[in-house]
Amino acid sequence: DAGVIQSPRHEVTEMGQEVTLRCKPISGHDYLFWYRQTMMRGLELLIYFNNNVPIDDSGMPEDRFSAKMPNASFSTLKIQPSEPRDSAVYFCASIGGVGNTEAFFGQGTRLTVV
Amino acid sequence: AQKITQTQPGMFVQEKEAVTLDCTYDTSDPSYGLFWYKQPSSGEMIFLIYQGSYDQQNATEGRYSLNFQKARKSANLVISASQLGDSAMYFCAMRDAGGTSYGKLTFGQGTILTVHP
Repeated sequence: DAGVIQSPRHEVTEMGQEVTLRCKPISGHDYLFWYRQTMMRGLELLIYFNNNVPIDDSGMPEDRFSAKMPNASFSTLKIQPSEPRDSAVYFCASIGGVGNTEAFFGQGTRLTVV
Repeated sequence: AQKITQTQPGMFVQEKEAVTLDCTYDTSDPSYGLFWYKQPSSGEMIFLIYQGSYDQQNATEGRYSLNFQKARKSANLVISASQLGDSAMYFCAMRDAGGTSYGKLTFGQGTILTVHP
């Protein structure tokens, strides 16, 4: 398996534009997590899915953020409209069932909103 | 609610010496898992070690070991024989296995480790 794959690796966009971040989890993993990392706030959990169903989205900052997981091999995090304060590194993590010791992250997407 | 606390913003260690990075956690669930990750300056998150709440033995992975003290709710990472390449940010994380937070993976604030030659 190639591990968790995120795209794009880097994204620069103008304020007000829509941004879509993508994640392909490890095959067979039941859980998928989206995190945001900034210097000020550290590593924040935005949302997580179990078997493609959103379980907890309490970390999603506001209505401008949305996440979907249409199938077991693909998830998106969308920001519309984007703002400069959304600039951060966004990580996707793929984990097996609870009790499973495999917990792997993608390379991250560095988002810059100008 | 889950809470993970790493009280050491930064730690320094001499090359070849051992270092302990602290992590305490708070949960009301009896079943949970504890993880440690390394984040070098390149930015990727590297999984290091895992400890289950019912595991009797402390987890070990090469030079990494987890000092698990369940009654104290601590899960400290011990790195033996430090190397220059160990300089990085280290995160402790907990995953609940019960209640409304089932499966949730929550991280601490991180500790920056610097290894001196």
